[in-house]
Amino acid sequence: QLQLQESGPGLVKPSETLSLTCTVSGDSINNNNYYWGWSRQPPGKGLEWIGSAYYSGSVYYNPSLSSRATISIDTSKNQLSLKLSSVTAADTAFYYCTRQDIVTMVYATDSWGQGTLVTVSS
Amino acid sequence: QSALTQPPSASGSLGQSVTISCTGTSSDVGRYNFVSWYQQQHPGKAPKLVIYEVNKRPSGVPNRFSGSKSGNTASLTVSGLQPEDEGDYYCNSYAGTNKLGVFGTGTKVTVL
Repeated sequence: QLQLQESGPGLVKPSETLSLTCTVSGDSINNNNYYWGWSRQPPGKGLEWIGSAYYSGSVYYNPSLSSRATISIDTSKNQLSLKLSSVTAADTAFYYCTRQDIVTMVYATDSWGQGTLVTVSS
Repeated sequence: QSALTQPPSASGSLGQSVTISCTGTSSDVGRYNFVSWYQQQHPGKAPKLVIYEVNKRPSGVPNRFSGSKSGNTASLTVSGLQPEDEGDYYCNSYAGTNKLGVFGTGTKVTVL
């Protein structure tokens, strides 16, 4: 059974860097059938794709966040990480770790973590 | 990248049908058959995939859920509405390598 578990600080100060980790269990992050990524949802608002990474090292970002976001994969720990720099209150959101199929259900996000709320406030 | 356009709300009576539209452009919905739909029953709870590749249902999703596409607009239809179908629905379209997931603005579905 696949599980995606997000972890990280729930409170980040403005102008600092938000750092989250997603621990994957039940599948290998080396699985070449999937992209692993992050999406977010500000409270009461819609979903926004942040970016996706492939086991080979390729990473794709939402152009609106590409200057601040960094996604990386640690295959030895089966983990995915997200760093978002220079955060403001607009970055307050539920952050979801995701798995996106590129073979069977092409470009569909078939699995989501439970989400973690990150609040940006001093 | 601009979000895909969905109506803010839609409703239908118990047992009836509701259809939600998702309008994009010739660069996303109109160009690729990689439209997916997600159901989010409670804000902050993880979304669930209900349709992929325009009109295909994942295992375990009732056949009351169906999808279609015409031009730059995709649609999700929920037939035989049940109370558990209430929630927010989001469409998503592939739009190229650097735009792996353009989401729609979301539609709140209410079962009357």
